[in-house]
Amino acid sequence: EVQLVESGGGLVQPGGSLRLSCAASGFTFSSYSMNWVRQAPGKGLEWVSYISSSSSTIYYADSVKGRFTISRDNAKNSLYLQMNSLRAEDTAVYYCARSRPLMDYWGQGTLVTVSS
Amino acid sequence: VIWMTQSPSLLSASTGDRVTISCRMSQGISSYLAWYQQKPGKAPELLIYAASTLQSGVPSRFSGSGSGTDFTLTISCLQSEDFATYYCQQYYSFPRTFGQGTKVEIK
Repeated sequence: EVQLVESGGGLVQPGGSLRLSCAASGFTFSSYSMNWVRQAPGKGLEWVSYISSSSSTIYYADSVKGRFTISRDNAKNSLYLQMNSLRAEDTAVYYCARSRPLMDYWGQGTLVTVSS
Repeated sequence: VIWMTQSPSLLSASTGDRVTISCRMSQGISSYLAWYQQKPGKAPELLIYAASTLQSGVPSRFSGSGSGTDFTLTISCLQSEDFATYYCQQYYSFPRTFGQGTKVEIK
């Protein structure tokens, strides 16, 4: 069974940093590209970032470019999102999603709240 | 950037109704379109990919059609568990983009 479990969310002050993790199981993690997608409270879905299976190709949404960094550790079956210079508008539930390239499996999400 | 216009944003319907949701692209994407269902407090779930291919385990009352710039999600006979929010998403190019969502509520 494919499982994706996010962690690392929480309350952070504006300008602060946070690192999200996504632990994958039930499939060959190193064979799949991955994404981060977020959803602000009461709002729609927003794609954040993509990383290919070997980390050779990476894309970001303009809204996070230069502040967020996606990475992965295939030996640990884990995906990461380093978030720096956080803003109030980054407040959202962050989901990791497997890429096929469509997003076929999603984690349950982790809430990031940026507030003073 | 490929912009997506999803309509309607809110759809009031009754159990047993046939409902249709539309998704229009700002440029052609062939059939690189997926539809997701999201219930409150839950992650999105994949319903349809490649515009018309049903994901394994998804009931056959869901169907998708279209190619190029115009796409449709149809639920042939609405069930109580189908009241949720639906999103279209293109995976033709980056940045990936989603429609604004359609909330299907009980009439």
